[in-house]
Amino acid sequence: QQQVKQSPQSLIVQKGGIPIINCAYENTAFDYFPWYQQFPGKGPALLIAIRPDVSEKKEGRFTISFNKSAKQFSLHIMDSQPGDSATYFCAASNYGGSQGNLIFGKGTKLSVKP
Amino acid sequence: SAVISQKPSRDICQRGTSLTIQCQVDSQVTMMFWYRQQPGQSLTLIATANQGSEATYESGFVIDKFPISRPNLTFSTLTVSNMSPEDSSIYLCSVDRGPTEAFFGQGTRLTVV
Repeated sequence: QQQVKQSPQSLIVQKGGIPIINCAYENTAFDYFPWYQQFPGKGPALLIAIRPDVSEKKEGRFTISFNKSAKQFSLHIMDSQPGDSATYFCAASNYGGSQGNLIFGKGTKLSVKP
Repeated sequence: SAVISQKPSRDICQRGTSLTIQCQVDSQVTMMFWYRQQPGQSLTLIATANQGSEATYESGFVIDKFPISRPNLTFSTLTVSNMSPEDSSIYLCSVDRGPTEAFFGQGTRLTVV
């Protein structure tokens, strides 16, 4: 019930490609779905988040697609750049309050080749 | 926004020893959080540290193994005790920044040999 399943574990794309990272959750009470980006030697940082009242959210080149009925959400990176090479974590929680209820996926290591 | 300084950034330790990781925040915060990031695994919450009270540990983590101090509103330490190679991980401290947002320090990469 509390798991967030993330795939793929790793992903290699060419510059300009559109990597897609997928996550699935089980707990229908979750109503907040963030993505975190982590560069080597750094802590993860919030990239973009979505709530289930919308099916898509865009911030710059990053888009979250959300499918409530399938309990799935995904991150798309448009026109990917070598600087996007990082590990990406999806997460799920109940919105509001502290971070203590965030459930993270296992992460996807993205490499964008020049 | 808050600045988090975590020390050391990395260490290599002998099994059976203990390592204390420090986390300093540049503003007062009510709660500080400690996570473990194992290779290829999720970020896992170890415990929540409130100033002036005992830390609250998540299932699978115990105070004897991971004692935590929280002497004031800007500082916390996590000790990894009696280390084994299975404790090799990145340890991260974090504070809340906005609703349900975790703001992380840069982490401590621990290798136990």
